[in-house]
Formats: sequence, C-alpha cells, structure tokens
Amino acid sequence: ETGVTQSPTHLIKTRGQQVTLRCSSQSGHNTVSWYQQALGQGPQFIFQYYREEENGRGNFPPRFSGLQFPNYSSELNVNALELDDSALYLCASSLSPQPNEKLFFGSGTQLSVL
Amino acid sequence: GDSVTQMEGPVTLSEEAFLTINCTYTATGYPSLFWYVQYPGEGLQLLLKATKADDKGSNKGFEATYRKETTSFHLEKGSVQVSDSAVYFCALKVGGYQKVTFGIGTKLQVIP
Repeated sequence: ETGVTQSPTHLIKTRGQQVTLRCSSQSGHNTVSWYQQALGQGPQFIFQYYREEENGRGNFPPRFSGLQFPNYSSELNVNALELDDSALYLCASSLSPQPNEKLFFGSGTQLSVL
Repeated sequence: GDSVTQMEGPVTLSEEAFLTINCTYTATGYPSLFWYVQYPGEGLQLLLKATKADDKGSNKGFEATYRKETTSFHLEKGSVQVSDSAVYFCALKVGGYQKVTFGIGTKLQVIP
C-alpha cells in the first residue's frame, strides 16, 4: 500500500509567477485536502476535494485553486505568487469526506518565493 | 473562530524524563481533539485522538485527556526516548468536513 506522495519536494519561484503542486492519494482514498504550513507555524487548511469538486475551503484567496482527477490525485495551483506564499504545502488523503475519517499526510512540497 | 494554543518550544529533556506539553482550545462547536507528530523530513502523523469529554487518547506511551471544563488536551508521556524527538501539534476538528485547526507546534528534543 503506497502512502500519500507529493511532487516536487522543493520548488523555487519568483513573485508573480504561477505554480502547480501535485499529490497522489493513498490507495483507496477518494478525498484530498491541502494545507499551508508557514515556517514555525501550524498547518492551515486551504481546501478539500471530493468527487472532483471542492467541498470545503479555508480563509485563502481565490488565487489558490485546486483540481481533483478521476483517479483521486490532486493539484494545488497558486497564481500571482507573493513572498508570503513561501511555505511547506501538505496534502492529506482519507477514505471518505466524513469528519471522523483519519487523515494521512504526505511529506509536503517546500515552496520558496523570491 | 476555532483556535488552539499550545506551549512554545523548544522543549529539551533528558532521556527517561517526564513530558508534558500543554494545549488549550477555543471552539464554536463540540470538537474532536488530536495530537499529531512530525518527525524530521516526514509528513504529519496522527498520534492520538479523543472525540468526547473525559475520553483519554493513548498511543506509543503518550496520553491526553479531553477536559471540557478547562478546554484542555495536554500531552503526557512518563519516560521519553531519543526517538521521540519531533514537533508535536495539538489540533481540533469541528463540523462536517475535514478542516483541522492546528496549534503552532512544540519542538521536543530528547538528549541521551
């Protein structure tokens, strides 16, 4: 059973650029959520995807968007990058969107915006 | 809004010492409470959880009790090991989807 995998592991972009981060869910998991973890902070919920639709969102602007594919893998897209977007981006998958389902996290993508 | 407050680290302990990491919360509803652990270079892992008042979550020698009257969920371990060195996050979840609200994390370093 493979775990949650994220790519790339590290990424450097410049302000104003766009970035796409990728996540492969754990086998059998149909729900994906994304979190942003700034240095020295706890992760903050960005959004959740189930059946290829966003069904929950945190306090992030519209330039943070996502996709979920039929195989349940997911992308996080960030447009017009700002310096404050520098962070570790974590993906988590679960068997269902039910609130009592256990989340399984990937190791994250470290994004640096210069 | 929902929030979690936990003691700031780093916490440095000698091997076999007693560990307590304090955590308090504020929630608009009736939350489930969690402790997650993040080892260096790895993703977050669920350590333990409690879903209702007075429940005790436990795993790998760690324990935490859901105290509704004090809105607390302190993490304890009787004898820490070097392998317990990691960052520990207190967290809560309220509502119908999987938004988890995390504290800032407490870095634990255990020295031999």
